[in-house]
Amino acid sequence: KNEVEQSPQNLTAQEGEFITINCSYSVGISALHWLQQHPGGGIVSLFMLSSGKKKHGRLIATINIQEKHSSLHITASHPRDSAVYICAVRSQMNTDKLIFGTGTRLQVFP
Amino acid sequence: NAGVTQTPKFQVLKTGQSMTLQCAQDMNHNSMYWYRQDPGMGLRLIYYSASEGTTDKGEVPNGYNVSRLNKREFSLRLESAAPSQTSVYFCASVLDRGSSYNEQFFGPGTRLTVL
Repeated sequence: KNEVEQSPQNLTAQEGEFITINCSYSVGISALHWLQQHPGGGIVSLFMLSSGKKKHGRLIATINIQEKHSSLHITASHPRDSAVYICAVRSQMNTDKLIFGTGTRLQVFP
Repeated sequence: NAGVTQTPKFQVLKTGQSMTLQCAQDMNHNSMYWYRQDPGMGLRLIYYSASEGTTDKGEVPNGYNVSRLNKREFSLRLESAAPSQTSVYFCASVLDRGSSYNEQFFGPGTRLTVL
């Protein structure tokens, strides 16, 4: 079993829909990252969380440390949101490294 | 501020050939990383360098060597390429791995095919 699990693996949506991507992890963490990888391949950091909730534009990330779960929400989705969204955690045992989920591929159609 | 740069962007090798992937960052970051990304799998750590002059193995180091040439540059070398090393390689850096504000910055990736 992977230490970081994401669901769903693939997601399609119509423009304007509310999107939720989930991430569960099994290790103690010091931080959780949400990353975005566009079809061109580049990876950018969206959020880094250690507790609570963060918002940036139409993106909202939440984390529940007790339940070892995080969600990434996209409000009013747009075709340009189409990308792979990756959850990664920084383990408390070894803060040098990130442990990555396999990603959620999102396609938003007009 | 270029961030994290990688060269080359694409490379095709024959089995047994060698090559070096170059990575540089201009953000004065202490820690640098090399990952590989394969279909259906998460990014996997090959090697990392917590600071200038140090390197450590990650999850999948076999078949690779690294050099932290200075604070800016971290190279990945394939001495004898194998088809199993066909992958997309990402370099990344972070200012301070022990800090709460440890956002990782990624390079654009190198797509390597070994025939």
